[in-house]
Amino acid sequence: DTAVSQTPKYLVTQMGNDKSIKCEQNLGHDTMYWYKQDSKKFLKIMFSYNNKELIINETVPNRFSPKSPDKAHLNLHINSLELGDSAVYFCASSQGLRGGDGYTFGSGTRLTVV
Amino acid sequence: GDSVTQMEGPVTLSEEAFLTINCTYTATGYPSLFWYVQYPGEGLQLLLKATKADDKGSNKGFEATYRKETTSFHLEKGSVQVSDSAVYFCALSVTGANNLFFGTGTRLTVIP
Repeated sequence: DTAVSQTPKYLVTQMGNDKSIKCEQNLGHDTMYWYKQDSKKFLKIMFSYNNKELIINETVPNRFSPKSPDKAHLNLHINSLELGDSAVYFCASSQGLRGGDGYTFGSGTRLTVV
Repeated sequence: GDSVTQMEGPVTLSEEAFLTINCTYTATGYPSLFWYVQYPGEGLQLLLKATKADDKGSNKGFEATYRKETTSFHLEKGSVQVSDSAVYFCALSVTGANNLFFGTGTRLTVIP
């Protein structure tokens, strides 16, 4: 199946831990994104990579570090997790920077920090 | 700046009722406009889009018309079904901005 797949789907961890979320797309897209969705369903862009280059780096704590080993993968590493990091994190991809044909989203990773 | 404002929910309708979810936008350039749908426990899916003024996007019985004069892109469906229960997001992209700007989402619940 052609898709954006992210793992894990659920992640429960303690404050202070370090965790990673992985994302892969097999759509041949050249741009990938991380979005954070809070409990009120508000979506906020975190990062965007185009052909492995960082394009967008919004005001996100530097505990969050994206890594793109190739244009089909964009992973998110989070250091020293805090309670406020609890949210659903979505990976997405598009062809081109503007995403004029729309984005394809993964099914999300629900992160719960306890 | 570029932004999207959509009507707050939640919206609750009976099956077969008419649906309108309002969306207005502010953009410095000529945006493309989108509606995304998020079903419970899933990621967002592109529902429809329009790339220039007066274009009408349509899919699965939903429609939205890009109105430049009113800077709007309202989502409509003539007869909703229980399976349409989801959160709907309006979004825009503009040349030079490398991401989609999303509205706050509107939760729709359709009851039998």
